[in-house]
Amino acid sequence: QKEVEQNSGPLSVPEGAIASLNCTYSDRGSQSFFWYRQYSGKSPELIMSIYSNGDKEDGRFTAQLNKASQYVSLLIRDSQPSDSATYLCAVKALSGDYKLSFGAGTTVTVRA
Amino acid sequence: DVKVTQSSRYLVKRTGEKVFLECVQDMDHENMFWYRQDPGLGLRLIYFSYDVKMKEKGDIPEGYSVSREKKERFSLILESASTNQTSMYLCASSTLVHSSYNEQFFGPGTRLTVL
Repeated sequence: QKEVEQNSGPLSVPEGAIASLNCTYSDRGSQSFFWYRQYSGKSPELIMSIYSNGDKEDGRFTAQLNKASQYVSLLIRDSQPSDSATYLCAVKALSGDYKLSFGAGTTVTVRA
Repeated sequence: DVKVTQSSRYLVKRTGEKVFLECVQDMDHENMFWYRQDPGLGLRLIYFSYDVKMKEKGDIPEGYSVSREKKERFSLILESASTNQTSMYLCASSTLVHSSYNEQFFGPGTRLTVL
């Protein structure tokens, strides 16, 4: 079982719609969770961090964390063509080192 | 803003050459990481360092070495480049500060082609 799994995509949504991305993780002791956006040919850019159960909103982005169910999700409201990218979910375990485990990514295409 | 820079955006080398990829961060971060990213394989950790002169192997260290002589600089070395090391190489850094989530910040990447 992979440590971090994301819905495989690609995900195609019309402009203005909500894009919903899901991520599950296997290490129940994981403590920090991140969403990165990666445009084609570019490096990952951090867009959301979440540590506690519940929702965290930042502009059009909302991260949702449910540690009991071991999943974290990202909602993109009012999707724009500029949101077309691959979104990577990353998880930090409770262990002492500072590595992150990354999912394979979900590619989102926003149709104008 | 955290700034992570990498020495080259694009690099073309010959098989057998020794290749140096350099990464510099300006936020006084303790941790630095080297990844490679390949289509269908995602991000894979090569090496990381949590302090000057300290290094830890990641998931795929074979064929690579690293050097961290100064806190802000982390170098990845391909001792004898091979065609299967053609990839996008990404450097990242993070801090040990307790209030941080330990999020990693990435450099722009180096696309290395080995011919």
